[in-house]
Amino acid sequence: QKEVEQDPGPLSVPEGAIVSLNCTYSNSAFQYFMWYRQYSRKGPELLMYTYSSGNKEDGRFTAQVDKSSKYISLFIRDSQPSDSATYLCAMRLQTGANNLFFGTGTRLTVIP
Amino acid sequence: EAGVAQSPRYKIIEKRQSVAFWCNPISGHATLYWYQQILGQGPKLLIQFQNNGVVDDSQLPKDRFSAERLKGVDSTLKIQPAKLEDSAVYLCASSLGDRGFNTEAFFGQGTRLTVV
Repeated sequence: QKEVEQDPGPLSVPEGAIVSLNCTYSNSAFQYFMWYRQYSRKGPELLMYTYSSGNKEDGRFTAQVDKSSKYISLFIRDSQPSDSATYLCAMRLQTGANNLFFGTGTRLTVIP
Repeated sequence: EAGVAQSPRYKIIEKRQSVAFWCNPISGHATLYWYQQILGQGPKLLIQFQNNGVVDDSQLPKDRFSAERLKGVDSTLKIQPAKLEDSAVYLCASSLGDRGFNTEAFFGQGTRLTVV
């Protein structure tokens, strides 16, 4: 079993839709949770960074962490064609080496 | 603020040849990471440096891969000899430190390696 599971998609939605992206994980020791956006032929770009359980909102993006279910989500409201990219979840432990454990990424296309 | 710089952007080599990648992290960032991203997968950590010391190289195939970070700034990653399965994007990232939210990692654009 992989440490981080993510549906690779692809996911296509019309412009203006609400997008829900999800990851599950197996290691209960993960404490920091991140979402990266990766455009084609570019490096990952950090979107959201949260600690432990709860919600965090930044503009059209909301990140949710449910540690009891080992489940994290990223919601994108009013999706735009410019949101078309691959979204990677990542997480790391509280202590020790800062290795980020990534999901496989979900490829999202927002259709105008 | 300048981002993480990597070169070259693309490289095509034959199997059994050697190749080297270069990374210049964000100024002042003490922690530097090299990740391997195979097509359709998430990045996988190869090696992490804190200044010029190695923190974690547990997933680095040491029989063919090597990395160094001289003077705690720039870093090079080398593969010798390359195998077909090394075809991937090699991403360099840096972070301010190795504690708490200082670990926010900024990635370069990557070097796309094709081994034929």
